[in-house]
Amino acid sequence: QKEVEQDPGPLSVPEGAIVSLNCTYSNSAFQYFMWYRQYSRKGPELLMYTYSSGNKEDGRFTAQVDKSSKYISLFIRDSQPSDSATYLCAMSDGSGGYQKVTFGTGTKLQVIP
Amino acid sequence: DAGVTQSPTHLIKTRGQQVTLRCSPKSGHDTVSWYQQALGQGPQFIFQYYEEEERQRGNFPDRFSGHQFPNYSSELNVNALLLGDSALYLCASSSYGQDWRSPLHFGNGTRLTVT
Repeated sequence: QKEVEQDPGPLSVPEGAIVSLNCTYSNSAFQYFMWYRQYSRKGPELLMYTYSSGNKEDGRFTAQVDKSSKYISLFIRDSQPSDSATYLCAMSDGSGGYQKVTFGTGTKLQVIP
Repeated sequence: DAGVTQSPTHLIKTRGQQVTLRCSPKSGHDTVSWYQQALGQGPQFIFQYYEEEERQRGNFPDRFSGHQFPNYSSELNVNALLLGDSALYLCASSSYGQDWRSPLHFGNGTRLTVT
């Protein structure tokens, strides 16, 4: 069993839709949670990070962490064609100052105009 | 403000050869980590360098080695290349020395193809 499970998609939605991306994890030591966006032929770009359970909002993006269920989500409101990319969830147990990060396999999102 | 820069962008090598990849961290960052991303997979942690020393290592063989220079730039070396080493190699930097919770910022990677 992988430490981090993520639905690979692809996920196809119309422009303006609300998108929900999810990951589950098995390692209860994970305490630092991140979402990265990766465009084709580019490196991952940090979208959001949080150390606590609950919600964190940044513009059209909301990250949600439920440590009791070992479940994290990223919501994208009013999705745009420019949001079309692969979204990677990532987490760390804090060893070595959160530099060792475990990633999900990524969910490929396509937003159709 | 320059982000993380990696060179070369693409590389083709033959099995058994050796390769060196280079990374310059984002301005103000002092720590470099290397990740391997196979096609259709998430990045996998190789190792982290801080203060010119390897601080943590993932589940990769000794064929993978690295170095960090006094200006914080870094190299990743892979010896005795295997076909399975074909992947996107990502460098990530952070300001771990100033803030141990500093998040990772990635470069665009080096695409290595082993034939």
